[in-house]
Amino acid sequence: QKEVEQDPGPLSVPEGAIVSLNCTYSNSAFQYFMWYRQYSRKGPELLMYTYSSGNKEDGRFTAQVDKSSKYISLFIRDSQPSDSATYLCAMGLDSGYSTLTFGKGTMLLVSP
Amino acid sequence: DAGVIQSPRHEVTEMGQEVTLRCKPISGHDYLFWYRQTMMRGLELLIYFNNNVPIDDSGMPEDRFSAKMPNASFSTLKIQPSEPRDSAVYFCASNKGNQPQHFGDGTRLSIL
Repeated sequence: QKEVEQDPGPLSVPEGAIVSLNCTYSNSAFQYFMWYRQYSRKGPELLMYTYSSGNKEDGRFTAQVDKSSKYISLFIRDSQPSDSATYLCAMGLDSGYSTLTFGKGTMLLVSP
Repeated sequence: DAGVIQSPRHEVTEMGQEVTLRCKPISGHDYLFWYRQTMMRGLELLIYFNNNVPIDDSGMPEDRFSAKMPNASFSTLKIQPSEPRDSAVYFCASNKGNQPQHFGDGTRLSIL
């Protein structure tokens, strides 16, 4: 079993839809959780990060962490064509953000 | 603010040649990371530095790979001799220890 699992997609939705992106993990020691967005031929761009469990909201984006289920989610409301990208989840141990384990990413396509 | 700067953006070279990738981290960041990204394996950590000192190089695939950080504003990743299986996108990232990592836009390396 891989440490972090992420459906590669592609996930295709119409503009305005609510998008749910998910990762599951096996290591219960993960404490730091991040979502990165990666456009084609660009580097991963930090979207959101949380420590331990709970929700965090930033504009159209909401990150959720459920440590009991070892499951994290990123919700995008009112999706836009500019949201079309690959979304990578990343997780870190209690030592902080230095040693991260990444999912392979989910490709999202938002059509006008 | 300038982000992480990598050069070159693209490199095409023949098998057996030496390849040098360069990275300038964000000013004030004390950690620097080198990653490799492929479709098959996703994003893999190769090596990371703290205050210019290599901390963990367990991800470096072979002795053909070496990395240096002579000062706080510059790092290199060298492959000598290069092989076709080294073809990938190489990313540099940096952070302050208590903050998430920020990535450069990568070097797309093709070894013929």
